[in-house]
Amino acid sequence: ETGVTQSPTHLIKTRGQQVTLRCSSQSGHNTVSWYQQALGQGPQFIFQYYREEENGRGNFPPRFSGLQFPNYSSELNVNALELDDSALYLCASSLEISGETQYFGPGTRLLVL
Amino acid sequence: KQEVTQIPAALSVPEGENLVLNCSFTDSAIYNLQWFRQDPGKGLTSLLLIQSSQREQTSGRLNASLDKSSGRSTLYIAASQPGDSATYLCAVYTSGGSNYKLTFGKGTLLTVNP
Repeated sequence: ETGVTQSPTHLIKTRGQQVTLRCSSQSGHNTVSWYQQALGQGPQFIFQYYREEENGRGNFPPRFSGLQFPNYSSELNVNALELDDSALYLCASSLEISGETQYFGPGTRLLVL
Repeated sequence: KQEVTQIPAALSVPEGENLVLNCSFTDSAIYNLQWFRQDPGKGLTSLLLIQSSQREQTSGRLNASLDKSSGRSTLYIAASQPGDSATYLCAVYTSGGSNYKLTFGKGTLLTVNP
């Protein structure tokens, strides 16, 4: 148990819809990172939030956006869903921006039809 | 651009066998290298973290080595058990400007047969 939770566990959406995924970090963790893991692939870095501001982004379009709240929760929002967005979405929290130990949540499985 | 490669993609061994999983990375400017375990449809469980200044780390039956200059790491599992069956992911921790991130390989799917 890492103390990081994600909701929902599974989600089915249709192409063009919008989705919000949620993550609750360990108390005191100022940094949260989001990763996308397609089937058979390793996780890919989407972006990182530090003290409620975006602090770096991977190779993902602007329709992927996020929010981080003062209560150590965060959201990943994806607009205009595409079939290729079907994946396991993982959040990981750490104490500080350079915190090397990242604690992963169990993930949200998103299926886009 | 950092790239991480894991070999083999899949491995099947009988129970009790010792085994080695391989990981290579293209850019040696890393802070650390981490090995994770992932069970089907689940999140990631951290196994071992090797700092860039270290050569190896051990935890129980697991031993991970790091040769930063050659861009290689190995995960050694001793006396494998059916419960070790999972996907093992290697990741390097790097800085891209102000953010820090993990870059993962695609993983090795390990099956340990009773």
